[in-house]
Amino acid sequence: EAAVTQSPRNKVAVTGGKVTLSCNQTNNHNNMYWYRQDTGHGLRLIHYSYVADSTEKGDIPDGYKASRPSQENFSLILELASLSQTAVYFCASSDRDWGYEQYFGPGTRLTVL
Amino acid sequence: GDSVTQTEGQVALSEEDFLTIHCNYSASGYPTLFWYVQYPGEGPQLLFRASRDKEKGSSRGFEATYDKGTTSFHLRKASVQESDSAVYYCAPYTNKVVFGTGTRLQVLP
Repeated sequence: EAAVTQSPRNKVAVTGGKVTLSCNQTNNHNNMYWYRQDTGHGLRLIHYSYVADSTEKGDIPDGYKASRPSQENFSLILELASLSQTAVYFCASSDRDWGYEQYFGPGTRLTVL
Repeated sequence: GDSVTQTEGQVALSEEDFLTIHCNYSASGYPTLFWYVQYPGEGPQLLFRASRDKEKGSSRGFEATYDKGTTSFHLRKASVQESDSAVYYCAPYTNKVVFGTGTRLQVLP
């Protein structure tokens, strides 16, 4: 069974603070993705990675950094959190390329105050 | 770039009603089309996919037919159940997957 876990599941941060969201997958998948979910916008791609030590910008990368230190782990970093970054964040993985099924984690609800 | 439109933002039905959620896409080339479902408190999961014109994807009583002529992949189910209450995402893929805005389905007992 494919498994993607995220931590923390809930996070409250202060404006201007640094936030790190973590994702781990045990699927042995090459690709990993970070999405944010907002009402009215659906799922929007922030960053993705095809291989360890390399990340790519997605559709809405501004204000976010990503890190892929190993095949299993993929982090999303908000250096200076802002109110507009309040959302639910999902990590996903897929085998080889985009055309394969993406397996999503349970999400992290981030509230920036 | 690729895009997808889901016409219905929210749908409320009673059990045993017929469901249609409309999905129209705009994509270069010949996309693979996905439907994902997201149950409350969970991440999205694949419902099914289709890769060729006129191909029907189906799972759990849901189905959709790839229509290249009308660039559509409408989701249908003949008789919905309360357990089908979820958010449904249409997502075309050419060089990357693009998710629609989602349709929230509420099925009342």
